Amino acid sequence: GAVVSQHPSWVICKSGTSVKIECRSLDFQATTMFWYRQFPKQSLMLMATSNEGSKATYEQGVEKDKFLINHASLTLSTLTVTSAHPEDSSFYICSARDGRVRAFFGQGTRLTVV
Amino acid sequence: DQQVKQNSPSLSVQEGRISILNCDYTNSMFDYFLWYKKYPAEGPTFLISISSIKDKNEDGRFTVFLNKSAKHLSLHIVPSQPGDSAVYFCAASAGNNNDMRFGAGTRLTVKP
Repeated sequence: GAVVSQHPSWVICKSGTSVKIECRSLDFQATTMFWYRQFPKQSLMLMATSNEGSKATYEQGVEKDKFLINHASLTLSTLTVTSAHPEDSSFYICSARDGRVRAFFGQGTRLTVV
Repeated sequence: DQQVKQNSPSLSVQEGRISILNCDYTNSMFDYFLWYKKYPAEGPTFLISISSIKDKNEDGRFTVFLNKSAKHLSLHIVPSQPGDSAVYFCAASAGNNNDMRFGAGTRLTVKP
């Protein structure tokens, strides 16, 4: 199956700093990428949808100035958590689609803000 | 808004028996449904899917049933194996380029 690589798999940062998470589709071109956040024992919450070359579409309640998403190429999307706070600590997962319905997921990134 | 619901947060089954995971949805525009399996600290992996034009799709030990009139789908795992223990997410999509909506997940435990 298609491979989506997410990096880093875990990161610890200080409060107030910014963290960048990368999501790469390794063997296909991803026309659309999605960023999810998962809280403990809860479902995956869609944060935003990004299409290559255009601005991301954010879900209601998600601060676009805090969670910066860039989808500059068909194989790479990045999520930058700016001015991170402890409440931003979570498991972030990206997924990528190749134009068909099925999406392939990255391994996830565990962010801990101290 | 919870358009996709998995009302059972957990399910425990004996090895060799059938596991049935249920999912309900409210949006009649959904036309494609997927099941994902997830282990802790990993991204979900695709398991099986079904289009709204079908009512059943089978892949090995996994079968997904869709009841459009009831807006209900289920995943059957037969026979269940200890390695099937994971969280299972139901997801639904409306159209090719729209995002998926996930249920809250059901934690399946298969006991040896």
